[in-house]
Parts: sequence; structure tokens; C-alpha cells
Amino acid sequence: SQQGEEDPQALSIQEGENATMNCSYKTSINNLQWYRQNSGRGLVHLILIRSNEREKHSGRLRVTLDTSKKSSSLLITASRAADTASYFCATDGAGKSTFGDGTTLTVKP
Amino acid sequence: EAGVAQSPRYKIIEKRQSVAFWCNPISGHATLYWYQQILGQGPKLLIQFQNNGVVDDSQLPKDRFSAERLKGVDSTLKIQPAKLEDSAVYLCASSPGTFAVNEQFFGPGTRLTVL
Repeated sequence: SQQGEEDPQALSIQEGENATMNCSYKTSINNLQWYRQNSGRGLVHLILIRSNEREKHSGRLRVTLDTSKKSSSLLITASRAADTASYFCATDGAGKSTFGDGTTLTVKP
Repeated sequence: EAGVAQSPRYKIIEKRQSVAFWCNPISGHATLYWYQQILGQGPKLLIQFQNNGVVDDSQLPKDRFSAERLKGVDSTLKIQPAKLEDSAVYLCASSPGTFAVNEQFFGPGTRLTVL
């Protein structure tokens, strides 16, 4: 079964708004990664946060990790139509990545 | 640098037929992964190679799926015989390190339709 579970399954916002998606997991992890997948394409790595980190930034992306709650969130600020994609979290434990089923984000121009 | 290459991009076969997918990872990457992604779901790991050895194949249906990584570089994934439920996108990824803690670089995938 999948380790990470994203929430919500789908999110629709207007361009310029912020988008927040969450990932919950069940067992201890070494790190957690977020990936983006545009329709019909492979996944693209966005950001990696280690288990001893609480927050990380990359451009318009902000990722938080709460190991006590076994959850992570991805915030995309000032969203653009080009951010329309599916976003997956992948939890890494024992040298193996396990992906959730993703959040589908639609940004309307 | 060149990305992960996969071929073919699309394949349509009838059930009980055989099919093979090919992956060329980024040069120098030690670890290679094959994932199955069913429509609407996240990627599910089928097999992970470290150089030319298998690290994890616990979710590979070994009665019909096989994979090899020749000389620790290119890899092929084969399905024989295919079932309707094998319809999915098959993604290949590689990473430079020997543990999943490194980011994975994905190819464009092969979309398989089994009729």
C-alpha cells in the first residue's frame, strides 16, 4: 500500500492565489520529496526535506514537515496557469521511495 | 546533460501478447527504477537496480514481469503474457546515489494499452 497520502485529491484556484496541498504518512521516514507531473509527462523533482528539517523554500515553493504528526505540506505562492499539474509526495525509508496518489492542481487564468 | 530516455512512448497490444520497454538512464547514475503508474494513481515501484544488481523487486509480478539491467547501464522491462490490468504508464527513473534519498530523474514514460 502507498505510504504517503495527499490531500485534497483535487484543487482548483485562480491565478495569483496560493495553493496548499498536504501529505500524510504512517511510518518513520528519512526524508520526504515532492514531485510535479504535467499531463502525459514524467515526474519532475521539486524539493527534498530531511526528517530533521522543519521547513524548506525553493522559489515560490514552501515545504513544511511535522514528524510528530507524520505530515508535510507544499505551498505554492502566487500560482500561475503553468503550475497546473499533479503533485506527489514521496516518502523515503530504508532506501526506497513510496509515492502517494497525488493532488491534481488546476490554476485558472 | 541528457535526460532519461525511454522507448517506445506508446504501445498497444492484445492480452496474452508480450511487450518490452527500454530505458537508458542518465550517464553515471548508479540506481535505476521501474515504476508502474495506473491512471489516477501515483507511481508504484516495480523494481530497483543498484548498478546491475536488484535492490528491491518485492512488488514485481514475477510470474509475468521480468527486468534486467545490462552492464549496469540500460535496462529492459518485459511483460509476458500481458493482461488487461497491465494497462498503465511505465516510468523509468535514475538517481546518482545508491539510496532513494537522492532525487530521482524520470523519463517520459511508455503508455501501454492492453486490449
